[in-house]
Amino acid sequence: DSGVTQTPKHLITATGQRVTLRCSPRSGDLSVYWYQQSLDQGLQFLIQYYNGEERAKGNILERFSAQQFPDLHSELNLSSLELGDSALYFCASSPPGAFGPSTDTQYFGPGTRLTVL
Amino acid sequence: AQSVTQPDIHITVSEGASLELRCNYSYGATPYLFWYVQSPGQGLQLLLKYFSGDTLVQGIKGFEAEFKRSQSSFNLRKPSVHWSDAAEYFCAVGELTGGGNKLTFGTGTQLKVEL
Repeated sequence: DSGVTQTPKHLITATGQRVTLRCSPRSGDLSVYWYQQSLDQGLQFLIQYYNGEERAKGNILERFSAQQFPDLHSELNLSSLELGDSALYFCASSPPGAFGPSTDTQYFGPGTRLTVL
Repeated sequence: AQSVTQPDIHITVSEGASLELRCNYSYGATPYLFWYVQSPGQGLQLLLKYFSGDTLVQGIKGFEAEFKRSQSSFNLRKPSVHWSDAAEYFCAVGELTGGGNKLTFGTGTQLKVEL
């Protein structure tokens, strides 16, 4: 158990819908990352938040957005869902560096499996 | 942009045999390197990491990896594989990007262990 929690574990929805995935980081970690794992794209970095601020952005679609709240939990919002959005979405967290985000170990949650029908 | 290559998509070994999973990276500066393992239906678990110092790093579950700068490689090894090691293994490189950071993963190597 990494200490990172994600809910829900599974989500089945229809095309065009909107869903919200939730992540709670490990105690003390300020960074939260979101990754997408799909058969065709592999593991792709989406976005990073550090203490409530967006710090790095990857190949995240405009239909996707995220935020990190004052209690440090994070939500990933996926809208106008398409069949191709079906994937495993991971959240990870890492401890702060001396001056902000660091390249320290990222601890991964169990993931949310999204199925778009 | 940095990249990670895991040339072997599938590997099958017999239980008790030795294992080496290959990883090559492309990165201009000193890399931060990681190996993660993913069991079916599970999240990613860190096996080991290299930041600096000794180029041979020890991890959990009896795994080790050697950083070779001249070959841009970070291969994962285990002297004797157990059936429970069957899983997918991912090599990753960490990168600082402006005010943040991210991991870039390889495509993974699926390990099958024959009893």
